[in-house]
Amino acid sequence: RKEVEQDPGPFNVPEGATVAFNCTYSNSASQSFFWYRQDCRKEPKLLMSVYSSGNEDGRFTAQLNRASQYISLLIRDSKLSDSATYLCVVNPHSGNTPLVFGKGTRLSVIA
Amino acid sequence: EAEVAQSPRYKITEKSQAVAFWCDPISGHATLYWYRQILGQGPELLVQFQDESVVDDSQLPKDRFSAERLKGVDSTLKIQPAELGDSAMYLCASSNGGANTGELFFGEGSRLTVL
Repeated sequence: RKEVEQDPGPFNVPEGATVAFNCTYSNSASQSFFWYRQDCRKEPKLLMSVYSSGNEDGRFTAQLNRASQYISLLIRDSKLSDSATYLCVVNPHSGNTPLVFGKGTRLSVIA
Repeated sequence: EAEVAQSPRYKITEKSQAVAFWCDPISGHATLYWYRQILGQGPELLVQFQDESVVDDSQLPKDRFSAERLKGVDSTLKIQPAELGDSAMYLCASSNGGANTGELFFGEGSRLTVL
């Protein structure tokens, strides 16, 4: 079983739609969780951290369910500029250990 | 805004040749990572440095790959000999706060094509 698993998509949604991405991780001792965004042929960039209580940043909401080892990202009122690949990222250990990236979920927002 | 610099941006080589990639992290960032990203996949760690020391190279194919960060600043990743399956984007990233902060700053990458 891979450490971080995501639905690869692609998700094709109209502008204004709400879309949700899911991610599962295998190591129950994982300490911290993040969503990165990667535009086509560009480098990944941190979108947001994921906190146990859930957190929101504008149209983006991230949630963590430690019992189910599940992370989600919700995008409301999708914009054309949201089209990208969204990478689920986990730090499987405490301390300064390497982050583990999922394969990414591709989103295309269509006018 | 400070950036992670990588070169070359693109490299085309024939199999069995040697290739080298260079990375200059954001000034002051002690941790440097090399990741490999195959098309359609997420980045996979090759090696992590803390200053000049290797922290994790468990996924680095050491029969053909080597990495160094001699003075704890810039770093070089070498492949010799290159194989067809090495075609990928090689991403360098640096961080200051460690993996718990989640913020890795990536360079634009070096895209390798092995013919």
